[in-house]
Parts: sequence; C-alpha cells; structure tokens
Amino acid sequence: DTGVSQDPRHKITKRGQNVTFRCDPISEHNRLYWYRQTLGQGPEFLTYFQNEAQLEKSRLLSDRFSAERPKGSFSTLEIQRTEQGDSAMYLCASSPLKGGGARFRFFGPGTRLTVL
Amino acid sequence: DAKTTQPNSMESNEEEPVHLPCNHSTISGTDYIHWYRQLPSQGPEYVIHGLTSNVNNRMASLAIAEDRKSSTLILHRATLRDAAVYYCILKYGNQGGKLIFGQGTELSVKP
Repeated sequence: DTGVSQDPRHKITKRGQNVTFRCDPISEHNRLYWYRQTLGQGPEFLTYFQNEAQLEKSRLLSDRFSAERPKGSFSTLEIQRTEQGDSAMYLCASSPLKGGGARFRFFGPGTRLTVL
Repeated sequence: DAKTTQPNSMESNEEEPVHLPCNHSTISGTDYIHWYRQLPSQGPEYVIHGLTSNVNNRMASLAIAEDRKSSTLILHRATLRDAAVYYCILKYGNQGGKLIFGQGTELSVKP
C-alpha cells in the first residue's frame, strides 16, 4: 500500500473558475478527512466522511465548497467560483474505523492551489 | 475542543535531545494528547499519543504531567531530518473524528 494519494499536486487557476481535487485514501480506510492549510498556519479541518456519509462539516466550508465520497473509496473536493483567499494547501487524510489504527490519521502530500 | 499552547519555534543541535513543551490546562479526562509533525512540503505525520502514562515509541517519547495540564515530546537524538513543525493536539476519545491543529512549534536542527 502506497499511502494516501492526492491529485493534482499543484493547481493554478484564475479567480472565478471551478476546481476539483481528488483524494485516494489507504484502501479499506473507512474514514476520510479534508483539511486546508495556509502559509504559516496549522491545518484547518474542513469535513470528514465515514464511508459514503459526510459526518461533519466545518463552518469554513462555505457553500462554494462541496465534498463527495460516492462509493466510500476516493473523495473529491470541489471549489466553485474560486477566490484569491482560497489559495492554500488542501490536505486529505484517512483512518480505519476500528482497531489500533483508528487513532491515527494518515495524511496525503496535499494539493497546492494558487488562485490568480 | 480544549486548546493547546506551544512555543512558536525552538532550536536544537544535531544529536542532542530535544524537549518540546505543550500546555493544555483545560484538558478533560477523556482527551488524548496527540503529537504530529509536518516536514517541509509534506502532509502531517503521526508521532505519538497518550492519555495519562508516559509513552515511548521508535520515533519519540511523550512525558505527561501528573495533572495532565502539560506534556513534553522528547526526541532523544535530534537529526537534521527532524526539522519540522510539531503539533500538540488534544482529541476527545480514542477513535474517529477531527483533529484540531494549532500553530505548532517549528523545530530547527543545527549541524
């Protein structure tokens, strides 16, 4: 298993465009998390899924943001009508539902978004 | 979620021990203390966690104060690859749910 993967690793877009990021968790990890990180700050929680169900959403997740995990495997995070303030690193993490590993979060390398 | 306080930055010399402090005076009885670190240009990675007793693993040791209002992450021999931002996080319970990151401590290691 190669860990959590994210695609693309970098995305440059113009203000007002829509962007979509993909996260592939470690296989059989039931839980999947999205975070956003701006320069010099710690990661901020956005949302998390248990299988297909979105269990929690942060108030940071405005109505321009939507996340899905349709089959309980990979997830997508879409940002509509991007703004310059959306420029950040978007991190995905996964964890199993039960067992010792449930305590840990395995993070991917992130997608760096730059909005011009 | 209970809050943690860490120094913004610390410096260490290579091959010397490093003690990274964390204050969490409002910790509740069911909060676990987690430490993650983030190397440059990478996602965070798990380091160690504990509830009440001190913990050791291959990466580090975690010393938890008797009143649980503070803890210390100990790297026994710092290497250049340990240069990272270290986050101390309190998490309710032992299973799922979000982690709330603070600003962390940026550790630099001098050769």
